[in-house]
Amino acid sequence: DAGITQSPRYKITETGRQVTLMCHQTWSHSYMFWYRQDLGHGLRLIYYSAAADITDKGEVPDGYVVSRSKTENFPLTLESATRSQTSVYFCASSPHINEKLFFGSGTQLSVL
Amino acid sequence: AQSVTQPDIHITVSEGASLELRCNYSYGATPYLFWYVQSPGQGLQLLLKYFSGDTLVQGIKGFEAEFKRSQSSFNLRKPSVHWSDAAEYFCAVIPNDYKLSFGAGTTVTVRA
Repeated sequence: DAGITQSPRYKITETGRQVTLMCHQTWSHSYMFWYRQDLGHGLRLIYYSAAADITDKGEVPDGYVVSRSKTENFPLTLESATRSQTSVYFCASSPHINEKLFFGSGTQLSVL
Repeated sequence: AQSVTQPDIHITVSEGASLELRCNYSYGATPYLFWYVQSPGQGLQLLLKYFSGDTLVQGIKGFEAEFKRSQSSFNLRKPSVHWSDAAEYFCAVIPNDYKLSFGAGTTVTVRA
């Protein structure tokens, strides 16, 4: 199906483990984004990408790594998960930087 | 620091009553402005956006928003709310550095 999909939908892990959250879009949108959503903070930008092989830090990048070898995929890796990274993570894509974002359904991550 | 502020964390409104959600930003120039809605367990959906021109913009689901440069505000309104409007609403801006920033969100509860 066309759209933007995130996997897994739910993930429980332990501190210190590496976790990768997947994001895939079928529109060939140039821009892709990772946000985390926490109560009282709204959505905060972690990383974004303007095109394949082009990524840049957002507001809260520490502890996260991204890659974009293909336009349609934008995985987010937590290299060594911490409890403070327990959150809901949203991936989004957009054809242009000032156009609306299309959001995935989110990944709920719990770090124990 | 540049920011987006939604002063109201939670608003309760009766079905059929009017609704206004406040949003203020502190960027120097006029940014691109958006309102998104998030239903429980879902990603975000764009309600409307403002780039330039007419300061009163119409969106989906009967929502409208008014940009007021003098007040650095972009308040969202709906004349008569429906129970299905219960959700969390996010104001967002794209300032000059092109990184979309979200407010902390306002949760709307609709009572019968």
